[in-house]
Amino acid sequence: DVKVTQSSRYLVKRTGEKVFLECVQDMDHENMFWYRQDPGLGLRLIYFSYDVKMKEKGDIPEGYSVSREKKERFSLILESASTNQTSMYLCASSLYGLAGKGGSYTQYFGPGTRLTVL
Amino acid sequence: DAKTTQPPSMDCAEGRAANLPCNHSTISGNEYVYWYRQIHSQGPQYIIHGLKNNETNEMASLIITEDRKSSTLILPHATLRDTAVYYCIVRADSGGGADGLTFGKGTHLIIQP
Repeated sequence: DVKVTQSSRYLVKRTGEKVFLECVQDMDHENMFWYRQDPGLGLRLIYFSYDVKMKEKGDIPEGYSVSREKKERFSLILESASTNQTSMYLCASSLYGLAGKGGSYTQYFGPGTRLTVL
Repeated sequence: DAKTTQPPSMDCAEGRAANLPCNHSTISGNEYVYWYRQIHSQGPQYIIHGLKNNETNEMASLIITEDRKSSTLILPHATLRDTAVYYCIVRADSGGGADGLTFGKGTHLIIQP
């Protein structure tokens, strides 16, 4: 079974703090994703990566950065946390090369980190 | 991407089959049907996907009509742990293998004891 783990289930930070959210997957997946999920707004893509050191902006990258130094690990960084970044953060991974077999959207999610910024 | 329509909520008795419908009347030939679910306060979980043939795995079966305009996700013996929001998504392969998911409102399935 694919396993995606996230460093914390719950996190409370203060405005202006630098926040690191870590995600690790154990299935040798090339693609990794960071989303945030808010009531009424659904799932929104922040950043994704299709290879080590590669990153692409998603729909809402402002205020966030990412790092992928190893294939299995994808980090989301909030440079200076703000209250509007209070949200559920979800990491996901998928296997590259399944294009043509419906694999592009077969993503495996971690349990989520509920971040509160005070 | 084709739009999907799902009922906002459904009930099912524990032990019975849960049949969740999804309409996607504007689906095009290269678009797949995916199902995910999300149990309260957890990350979404991939269930199954298909193009035109019916599919079955250890979690569920996916029945796609011949004209591909609708589909049904079947949980054969629902348990209380199957209570969740179920999302039907229609997307074409991105080619590169990396693309973001978007969920609509989904169906809130409640399994009754």
